Amino acid sequence: KAGVTQTPRYLIKTRGQQVTLSCSPISGHRSVSWYQQTPGQGLQFLFEYFSETQRNKGNFPGRFSGRQFSNSRSEMNVSTLELGDSALYLCASSCPDCEQYFGPGTRLTVT
Amino acid sequence: SQQGEEDPQALSIQEGENATMNCSYKTSINNLQWYRQNSGRGLVHLILIRSNEREKHSGRLRVTLDTSKKSSSLLITASRAADTASYFCARGSNYKLTFGKGTLLTVNP
Repeated sequence: KAGVTQTPRYLIKTRGQQVTLSCSPISGHRSVSWYQQTPGQGLQFLFEYFSETQRNKGNFPGRFSGRQFSNSRSEMNVSTLELGDSALYLCASSCPDCEQYFGPGTRLTVT
Repeated sequence: SQQGEEDPQALSIQEGENATMNCSYKTSINNLQWYRQNSGRGLVHLILIRSNEREKHSGRLRVTLDTSKKSSSLLITASRAADTASYFCARGSNYKLTFGKGTLLTVNP
């Protein structure tokens, strides 16, 4: 099986812009979770989607949003980027009886 | 807030030595998982230990869990340079994990 893929792998944006990141889960996995990793805050849960519905949400401002499509692919969007949004964004897919499988991440740099 | 806290924050050893990392948590758990991350890349699942298990092995990895002390440890035996990575413990469901800040393990050849 192909693993979790994330695109793009690297991204540089300017403050105030918006960005969309994409995640394709492992075939058959219907749950996709997103995490933000920064040196200061570590790994933090953003949100989780299952069958096109947001099922869990972390403690992030409304500038962070996401969606999931009928093929389980997911996107996350960050609007009005701030310098503090620079991070590695990881997505993970899972199934009911398996652990989370993580993608390689998207490295976002906000200048 | 982080629910799993690893210590030490950093560990440097020689190839062939054993490495032990510890994780403490605050609330009750159904299971605890350990992940590895190589230099800013994705996380790789290593092992899951359930709350009714005390010890689990996988290859050179040994994980113990003490629910009375709310702590777990990960032992890597006969370490290799390729084991150099950050190691995280995580608690939660398969859909939402809470991670500690991790232990950075450096194995010197």
